[in-house]
Amino acid sequence: GQQLNQSPQSMFIQEGEDVSMNCTSSSIFNTWLWYKQDPGEGPVLLIALYKAGELTSNGRLTAQFGITRKDSFLNISASIPSDVGIYFCAGQLRTSGTYKYIFGTGTRLKVLA
Amino acid sequence: DVKVTQSSRYLVKRTGEKVFLECVQDMDHENMFWYRQDPGLGLRLIYFSYDVKMKEKGDIPEGYSVSREKKERFSLILESASTNQTSMYLCASRVLGGDEKLFFGSGTQLSVL
Repeated sequence: GQQLNQSPQSMFIQEGEDVSMNCTSSSIFNTWLWYKQDPGEGPVLLIALYKAGELTSNGRLTAQFGITRKDSFLNISASIPSDVGIYFCAGQLRTSGTYKYIFGTGTRLKVLA
Repeated sequence: DVKVTQSSRYLVKRTGEKVFLECVQDMDHENMFWYRQDPGLGLRLIYFSYDVKMKEKGDIPEGYSVSREKKERFSLILESASTNQTSMYLCASRVLGGDEKLFFGSGTQLSVL
């Protein structure tokens, strides 16, 4: 199946630093979703984006739907230790009369106190 | 909040056993999905269901079947478990014609010995 290009694959940052990650694709998406997954747990939805150019925040998290509709960005400001986990994006597109969710491979975030 | 419940967090089965993974959602969602998640491969769609008694193959249906007898429950069946089916299995649901948000359960880590 298809996958989204997500970068970086992993990052170590100091507590208090800002974090940025992104997903890109050759396909145009109708919706972008951002998730966080803790080890051994299921993904938890953080932010949903519906329109090109849309910028949406959830606490210290901000995500943007790219203008081309082929990319999306997630920023975490002032990171804290509990931000540790895997973040991944999902894009939804319509194809052949149905819809599909395509997932990024994840960004593993480690925060150093 | 939407709740998607997977019956088992961890399962250990033997090769050749028939395995049932159960998923229940409490938000009257029409659409339900089964994914498997493997390191480096991201989430891959096994099967999905638009509504009761409806099912569609995803990207990797081989070796699996599903059952959707009631709207709230979507079962994944491994007819004869094999070691290459050792994986994290994630169930998800979404409302038809809604906000496109996909909600996941906590996952079932299946080990086939």
